Amino acid sequence: GIQVEQSPPDLILQEGANSTLRCNFSDSVNNLQWFHQNPWGQLINLFYIPSGTKQNGRLSATTVATERYSLLYISSSQTTDSGVYFCALGGSQGNLIFGKGTKLSVKP
Amino acid sequence: GAVVSQHPSWVICKSGTSVKIECRSLDFQATTMFWYRQFPKQSLMLMATSNEGSKATYEQGVEKDKFLINHASLTLSTLTVTSAHPEDSSFYICSARDSGQGSEQYFGPGTRLTVT
Repeated sequence: GIQVEQSPPDLILQEGANSTLRCNFSDSVNNLQWFHQNPWGQLINLFYIPSGTKQNGRLSATTVATERYSLLYISSSQTTDSGVYFCALGGSQGNLIFGKGTKLSVKP
Repeated sequence: GAVVSQHPSWVICKSGTSVKIECRSLDFQATTMFWYRQFPKQSLMLMATSNEGSKATYEQGVEKDKFLINHASLTLSTLTVTSAHPEDSSFYICSARDSGQGSEQYFGPGTRLTVT
């Protein structure tokens, strides 16, 4: 089946630092999404990015479909950025297949 | 736009009872909704695909008689956990895709089920 691998599994940053989260996937992509899961469990849509580059404020994402990876960049991190970041790839039924996530902790 | 709600947000029930969880797309129509389960410190795993007006499709290992799914309208899907047991305690999350807007999915806030 489709494999989605995220790295690193854990990341600790000082407030203000930048970071790059990586997502490797094993199949061709028709849908790729990045999410932030907040402490209450809500999944916040960050990017819908099957290809190309997008930016939203301090966050940006790039997907290189031909090389089967996607990157999420967080600049000038804030404590409110803490949580788990998930990458998810579209499956054959239209569902999403999730990676195991990157747990980000931003220290003040 | 693209808001998905779930109700209840948390529920505690006794072993052997049934619990119904509702998932609604508030500002769009969703032919297909998905139900996921997340155990503590783990990722989301697909349980079933819910199609409006037809039977749900369950993932391997998910008991269809235990997790009843009904997708009666283009904005509502329900998941009923029947004869709940403590091992069913988990975080249940639904998602929906806007039927007219491609494949991006939007997630509800989740329902935390605790079976005592």
